Amino acid sequence: KQEVTQIPAALSVPEGENLVLNCSFTDSAIYNLQWFRQDPGKGLTSLLLIQSSQREQTSGRLNASLDKSSGRSTLYIAASQPGDSVTYLCAVLNSGAGSYQLTFGKGTKLSVIP
Amino acid sequence: SAVISQKPSRDICQRGTSLTIQCQVDSQVTMMFWYRQQPGQSLTLIATANQGSEATYESGFVIDKFPISRPNLTFSTLTVSNMSPEDSSIYLCSGRLNTEAFFGQGTRLTVV
Repeated sequence: KQEVTQIPAALSVPEGENLVLNCSFTDSAIYNLQWFRQDPGKGLTSLLLIQSSQREQTSGRLNASLDKSSGRSTLYIAASQPGDSVTYLCAVLNSGAGSYQLTFGKGTKLSVIP
Repeated sequence: SAVISQKPSRDICQRGTSLTIQCQVDSQVTMMFWYRQQPGQSLTLIATANQGSEATYESGFVIDKFPISRPNLTFSTLTVSNMSPEDSSIYLCSGRLNTEAFFGQGTRLTVV
C-alpha cells in the first residue's frame, strides 16, 4: 500500500526567504506526482504535475523535483510571500487493483511572516 | 485543464438530516471522485463516481450513507445521509483529465 509522508508538518519563514518542502513515498511504481495548495477550509489547487519520466517542473516561483527511484520529491518556493501561507499537499498516482489511486500526504502548513 | 464548480461551499446542518453536494465540471473528465477531509487530516477517498452506474465505494464507506450519482460525464452529486456530528468535514469533488487531478472548492459541512 502506497504511503506518502510530508516533512515538515509545519514551517514558518520570514518573507522573501527561499524554502523547500519534502515529500516521500514508499512505492516507486507511480504514474505521476502532483503538488497542491489548500487554502484554509477550501479545495485544492493544482500547482505542479510531474510525470514519472520527468525530473522536474517549474511554474513561476515554484520548482518541483522528482526522484522516483528513491521515492522523493521536493517543492522549492523562491522569494516567499505572505500569500504563500497555506497548506501544501503532495499526492502520487499509481496503478493498483485496477483503478488509478491518488494517495495524499498529510501536508505541510507554511507560514510566511511579513 | 478542468474547472470544477462545487456547491454549496459550506453548510451547517441538524443531525439526522441529509445534504446533497453538487459538482459540475467544465470538460468531460475521464473519472470523478469524492473525498472527505476530516479536521487536521489529509484526504480520504470515499468513492469513484461512475457514469450511469453505481459508484465504487472504498472500505468504510457505504452507499446508504453516501449515495452518489453521476448522470453524465460532467456532473455528480454526493449526499451525506442521516448526518451526525462525526460527519463534520470538508467534502471534495475531484475530476481526472488524462492523469492530472483537479478539485472543486470543497464543501465545509458542520453538523450540530
